[in-house]
Amino acid sequence: SQELEQSPQSLIVQEGKNLTINCTSSKTLYGLYWYKQKYGEGLIFLMMLQKGGEEKSHEKITAKLDEKKQQSSLHITASQPSHAGIYLCGAANFGNEKLTFGTGTRLTIIP
Amino acid sequence: GAGVSQSPRYKVAKRGQDVALRCDPISGHVSLFWYQQALGQGPEFLTYFQNEAQLDKSGLPSDRFFAERPEGSVSTLKIQRTQQEDSAVYLCASSLTTRVGEQFFGPGTRLTVL
Repeated sequence: SQELEQSPQSLIVQEGKNLTINCTSSKTLYGLYWYKQKYGEGLIFLMMLQKGGEEKSHEKITAKLDEKKQQSSLHITASQPSHAGIYLCGAANFGNEKLTFGTGTRLTIIP
Repeated sequence: GAGVSQSPRYKVAKRGQDVALRCDPISGHVSLFWYQQALGQGPEFLTYFQNEAQLDKSGLPSDRFFAERPEGSVSTLKIQRTQQEDSAVYLCASSLTTRVGEQFFGPGTRLTVL
């Protein structure tokens, strides 16, 4: 079965600083999703990557999928308090829609 | 706009009780998923429906767990004879097609078994 490892597990960043979260898969990724979750709430879709080398951006968040399709990174530029939460990467398997998730990265933004 | 809704949002059950958790997916979405999220962990897959057909139930932890989607829209996850280890957040997600694509998640039901 596929396993996803996220690093770091938690991150405390001063407001305005940049940060990167990594997601490494034990198998080739067919589709890689990034979600954000706040306590007591469901998952909010951020981005989906499918092609090796693909990069997508939304506002100040950029996600990349490496050429070998086994690792993805999420980069936040000039972090803001609204970026605080738990970031989860999820992987889809070929021919199978169900997602396997990493354990998450808890991001705290301090003033 | 209407997203995925779940009810109840919180449920406290005594050990041994049966519970039923409801999911209302986005109208017209073909695929529906149930996930279980333990504290401090990522969601784990439970079961998947394509319309009314349950195509994958490999993630259901025991035969005490049962899910249905009889008319291809609303789904119910039922847990019989609840145990303390069933305490978790149960998340429902739906997607428009059967191909890999964005899954829209509901707010979840937090189940606490005493």
